[in-house]
Amino acid sequence: AQTVTQSQPEMSVQEAETVTLSCTYDTSENNYYLFWYKQPPSRQMILVIRQEAYKQQNATENRFSVNFQKAAKSFSLKISDSQLGDTAMYFCAFIVQTGANNLFFGTGTRLTVIP
Amino acid sequence: KAGVTQTPRYLIKTRGQQVTLSCSPISGHRSVSWYQQTPGQGLQFLFEYFSETQRNKGNFPGRFSGRQFSNSRSEMNVSTLELGDSALYLCASRPDLGNEQFFGPGTRLTVL
Repeated sequence: AQTVTQSQPEMSVQEAETVTLSCTYDTSENNYYLFWYKQPPSRQMILVIRQEAYKQQNATENRFSVNFQKAAKSFSLKISDSQLGDTAMYFCAFIVQTGANNLFFGTGTRLTVIP
Repeated sequence: KAGVTQTPRYLIKTRGQQVTLSCSPISGHRSVSWYQQTPGQGLQFLFEYFSETQRNKGNFPGRFSGRQFSNSRSEMNVSTLELGDSALYLCASRPDLGNEQFFGPGTRLTVL
């Protein structure tokens, strides 16, 4: 079974500080892609960052970076210099490269950036 | 490029009615997927269409159906609506050679 677990339902961080959101997943597949999506109150799901499972190097996108530990099936998101606009629900998700083409999502972490 | 668009944005229906939601993918994207988002069940995959063919289907009853047109626009239909069908329905499109899915703003369906 393909599952994603986000163990932190809610988190908060002071503006300009750094926060890390946790995610673990389970799959028997070897080739897959991992994603973090952001869903602000406007509801639009926005892709934040992606990671190919075959790449050892952690992905970085401006203030967003991931810590990908394939053996541990862990994929955490670090947000540096948090901004008020980062306030949103964050979903961890993955898709396998072969077979079904659907995303498997975690339950989300609600992040609040405090001014 | 314009993003994924969904219409309508909000919909209110009563039990027993049927509803049709529409999704226009990013230009050039032939894959369209639909997801249901509820507070209790989270984000769940409904189905995926590619070049007018349903390629993959989630674990939803037959009341949920969809189709895709030759211009890649997709519709999903829910018949005999139940209260539990109240949800945000998200559509996403994907490029042929990529794995990222790009989401539309969603349609908020309320069933009374």
